[in-house]
Amino acid sequence: GNSVTQMEGPVTLSEEAFLTINCTYTATGYPSLFWYVQYPGEGLQLLLKATKADDKGSNKGFEATYRKETTSFHLEKGSVQVSDSAVYFCAPLTSGSRLTFGEGTQLTVNP
Amino acid sequence: GAGVSQSPRYKVAKRGQDVALRCDPISGHVSLFWYQQALGQGPEFLTYFQNEAQLDKSGLPSDRFFAERPEGSVSTLKIQRTQQEDSAVYLCASSLAREGYGYTFGSGTRLTVV
Repeated sequence: GNSVTQMEGPVTLSEEAFLTINCTYTATGYPSLFWYVQYPGEGLQLLLKATKADDKGSNKGFEATYRKETTSFHLEKGSVQVSDSAVYFCAPLTSGSRLTFGEGTQLTVNP
Repeated sequence: GAGVSQSPRYKVAKRGQDVALRCDPISGHVSLFWYQQALGQGPEFLTYFQNEAQLDKSGLPSDRFFAERPEGSVSTLKIQRTQQEDSAVYLCASSLAREGYGYTFGSGTRLTVV
């Protein structure tokens, strides 16, 4: 079946540090891939997406590249801010237009 | 509307009580999804509508859960005879149903069964 494996959290970084959150997935074919973010007390928000192999999604300084060879979609940011503290979810769009979410990775950025 | 609206924001139910959760999707969005998010977990798929047709209900955990979208717009998720394990945040999302478009989520309804 379809599944998503995310880097285990929680992740704690200092401001301006480099961030990587790993995500690998299993799915039939080449699904569109998404990262969603959930800030404290808020709903899920779309952060970025990629719809085909080698596409790079980017938003708010975050980037992720669709790697079909490794079925991965790792999230990166060169310099995190305190305001980036949130839970990050990787999610491929699998059969039936369904988003399948990972467990989520809690990120805390300290000043 | 501008976003996906869910109500109520919070619901406390006594065990055995029936509850109804409402979702108002973005106007014109064909697809509507319900997810259940337990504390500290990722959202789990419950059911999916395209217009008024319920195309997938494979994620509904038991026959106590029922969802409808009679006019292809507002949707209601009903849980009968609530149990403590039903305590979670119930998320609704809508989409234009184009490949790669992604969903817009509502803020969710936090259900606590006591």
